[in-house]
Amino acid sequence: DAGVIQSPRHEVTEMGQEVTLRCKPISGHDYLFWYRQTMMRGLELLIYFNNNVPIDDSGMPEDRFSAKMPNASFSTLKIQPSEPRDSAVYFCASSPLGGGVRSGANVLTFGAGSRLTVL
Amino acid sequence: AQSVTQPDIHITVSEGASLELRCNYSYGATPYLFWYVQSPGQGLQLLLKYFSGDTLVQGIKGFEAEFKRSQSSFNLRKPSVHWSDAAEYFCAVARGSTLGRLYFGRGTQLTVWP
Repeated sequence: DAGVIQSPRHEVTEMGQEVTLRCKPISGHDYLFWYRQTMMRGLELLIYFNNNVPIDDSGMPEDRFSAKMPNASFSTLKIQPSEPRDSAVYFCASSPLGGGVRSGANVLTFGAGSRLTVL
Repeated sequence: AQSVTQPDIHITVSEGASLELRCNYSYGATPYLFWYVQSPGQGLQLLLKYFSGDTLVQGIKGFEAEFKRSQSSFNLRKPSVHWSDAAEYFCAVARGSTLGRLYFGRGTQLTVWP
């Protein structure tokens, strides 16, 4: 398996522009998570999906952020309009359903991240 | 509320020396605990996890961690560090049974001297 695939790996944009980050989870994984990593706040959960349905978006910082998962193999995180304080590394991660806690089946696999710089 | 504290922001050790990275958590119920490692420009890789049972858990790359409920700690150890272990290490606790919903500590940067 190729793992969790994110694109682009690096994005530099100007303030006010729309940014779209993409994620392809591991095939068969039912959960998908978007995390953000910044120097100020560390790693924080933005939103997660179960079977393509958003379950908890309480970590999404503002209405400028939106995430979708139109099918089991694709998710996007969109920022419109972008601001300099959105500069961060955005990680996508997926995990399988089932097996229960004891089996450890539902453990996260992270993508390599998308580094966003907003000028 | 759940939280994770990693008291050491940066640790430097010599190659071959032993290593212990500290992690303290705050959680009301039985915690599900993790250690992840992040190399520069890379995503996070799971080193090991604790769900229940034996409080000493073994992970990949020769790492182990010990869960101590009385101290609310989950410290990561390695008997002999290799230069390739230089990276940033994150302790995390799951929010409930959805194990992908994690609270992360702020991380400990490990530098290894040759």
